[in-house]
Amino acid sequence: GQNIDQPTEMTATEGAIVQINCTYQTSGFNGLFWYQQHAGEAPTFLSYNVLDGLEEKGRFSSFLSRSKGYSYLLLKELQMKDSASYLCAVIRSGGYQKVTFGTGTKLQVIP
Amino acid sequence: EAGVTQFPSHSVIEKGQTVTLRCDPISGHDNLYWYRRVMGKEIKFLLHFVKESKQDESGMPNNRFLAERTGGTYSTLKVQPAELEDSGVYFCASSPQGGNEAFFGQGTRLTVV
Repeated sequence: GQNIDQPTEMTATEGAIVQINCTYQTSGFNGLFWYQQHAGEAPTFLSYNVLDGLEEKGRFSSFLSRSKGYSYLLLKELQMKDSASYLCAVIRSGGYQKVTFGTGTKLQVIP
Repeated sequence: EAGVTQFPSHSVIEKGQTVTLRCDPISGHDNLYWYRRVMGKEIKFLLHFVKESKQDESGMPNNRFLAERTGGTYSTLKVQPAELEDSGVYFCASSPQGGNEAFFGQGTRLTVV
């Protein structure tokens, strides 16, 4: 089975930096996604990590430690439009990939 | 290139009725996933097609839900008969074989009254 944990809610100030953590337990780990989801919309892809280390993409960075079952999403220079849910999703191999989502972290950016 | 499309975008039906949701994946994507998000809860996996075959349907809640993917192209998810707890947003996603990114449709918001 799989177990994915994220904080339920976070609040951060516009212009600041926020780190959203995700821990997971799974067999056959084959990568981890981060998605952003605004209320009422479909999730949109942010990042993909399969090797240990940091992947940077503009204001967003994602880190993975496979040995610790841990990832984080780092958002810099926060903007009001970054208020959304951030979903950690683990890919499990087994012939073909299966993607399982965590509960998501609702981030509120305040002025 | 067209993305993943879902139809309808909204559906309001009465308890006991039947509803069929449709998902058209990105052309050429072998993998097709159905997910459901009930209000206030996490996105839950329902099932995974590889081409026309059900690879994993462990997330299907009960036998009122039937998913098909004829010819390995579009997929349908039928709920019959619908119950109040089936209300939520149903998302479809697709990815190519061996791909490392899943592309989501906009979802179908189902309300059972």
